[in-house]
Amino acid sequence: QVQLQESGPGLVKPSETLSLTCAVSGYSISSGYYWGWIRQPPGKGLEWIGSIYHSGSTYYNPSLKSRVTISVDTSKNQFSLKLSSVTAADTAVYYCARHATTVTTGWFDPWGQGTLVTVSS
Amino acid sequence: SYELTQPLSVSVALGQTARITCGGNNIGSKNVHWYQQKPGQAPVLVIYRDSNRPSGIPERFSGSNSGNTATLTISRAQAGDEADYYCQVWDSSTAEVFGGGTKLTVL
Repeated sequence: QVQLQESGPGLVKPSETLSLTCAVSGYSISSGYYWGWIRQPPGKGLEWIGSIYHSGSTYYNPSLKSRVTISVDTSKNQFSLKLSSVTAADTAVYYCARHATTVTTGWFDPWGQGTLVTVSS
Repeated sequence: SYELTQPLSVSVALGQTARITCGGNNIGSKNVHWYQQKPGQAPVLVIYRDSNRPSGIPERFSGSNSGNTATLTISRAQAGDEADYYCQVWDSSTAEVFGGGTKLTVL
């Protein structure tokens, strides 16, 4: 059974870089699938941030692309998110998820439990 | 950019059928996925590629997609179905897009 667990600082100062890691268990990232990050501001809806393949190939939400870097470490079976120049608008619960894709579509299953990141001085 | 429109809220009587819609330009040409999110929990995939149920999801959950509207149907609604529901598609201009979410209340 695939399980994902997010980890990282719960508080980040404005203008700094948010860094999170998602540890995957029960499945080897190297075996396939994309792996994605999604966030949810308090009381609001879901926003996809970006996804990465085990080879390192990435694609990002165009609205966040200039500030986002997603990387993968297959030796540790984990992948990471960096979001630079954060503001209060980046305060959200951040989820990682396995991202099943075909040529024309993709869906997220399963998801990690999520981690709240607050941007505040 | 591609946008998905969902009603803010839907109510259904216990044991009746709930229908949650997701509107988008020619959404029928895309594959739609649906997630259930209960308070304080991570989203759970309930329907993928319009009408497919992952293992463990009850048959009461079904999906359809045609024209400009996709629909998640929950038959014989239970109190445990109360949650927020989100639709999601892939679009060539914006990649993965989520709808704004619908709060389902079971009366």
